[in-house]
Amino acid sequence: DTGVSQNPRHKITKRGQNVTFRCDPISEHNRLYWYRQTLGQGPEFLTYFQNEAQLEKSRLLSDRFSAERPKGSFSTLEIQRTEQGDSAMYLCASSLEVWRGSEQYFGPGTRLTVT
Amino acid sequence: QQQVKQSPQSLIVQKGGISIINCAYENTAFDYFPWYQQFPGKGPALLIAIRPDVSEKKEGRFTISFNKSAKQFSLHIMDSQPGDSATYFCAAIHNNAGNMLTFGGGTRLMVKP
Repeated sequence: DTGVSQNPRHKITKRGQNVTFRCDPISEHNRLYWYRQTLGQGPEFLTYFQNEAQLEKSRLLSDRFSAERPKGSFSTLEIQRTEQGDSAMYLCASSLEVWRGSEQYFGPGTRLTVT
Repeated sequence: QQQVKQSPQSLIVQKGGISIINCAYENTAFDYFPWYQQFPGKGPALLIAIRPDVSEKKEGRFTISFNKSAKQFSLHIMDSQPGDSATYFCAAIHNNAGNMLTFGGGTRLMVKP
């Protein structure tokens, strides 16, 4: 399967702990996006990368959140000192930007539960 | 502030019926409007998309109608099938942004057999 993969699929953590999620995009896709989706809502943009450069971050991305995409391949999203409000599905998407509006392919997401 | 408003939140349709989902936006800088379908446990998948210079786009049983002056667009699913039962999201892309998607709140569609 050459789609977008995310690990882990589920993560339960206690408040105050740090967590890290990984996203492997479709190979050769130069753009990678992170979104957050809470129950019953649409996904909200967090940040995106063009190759290894992080080009934009949403105001939703507090200082406790950090994302990296070393070498322009996989990406990690770390949340430090987790809070109950961080409980959500974290979605990764990738695209090959040859024109504006190129399709973003989403992974299955990582569901985070903070207790 | 919700930039893309979607209605209804949930919809029940009989098999063979027409499902209609509506979206409205405020930001006139949006210039690309995709619809996504999401099944439980899966990420959203692109269904169909439209640019504002076109008033309608049809792909199979799915049609987008776009009203630029009213800043509204809608998804019509003809001959709805139980397999269409999913959550549908409208979205928009800003013409000066990095192609990040702004999603509506979603519509949970159930098609009864």
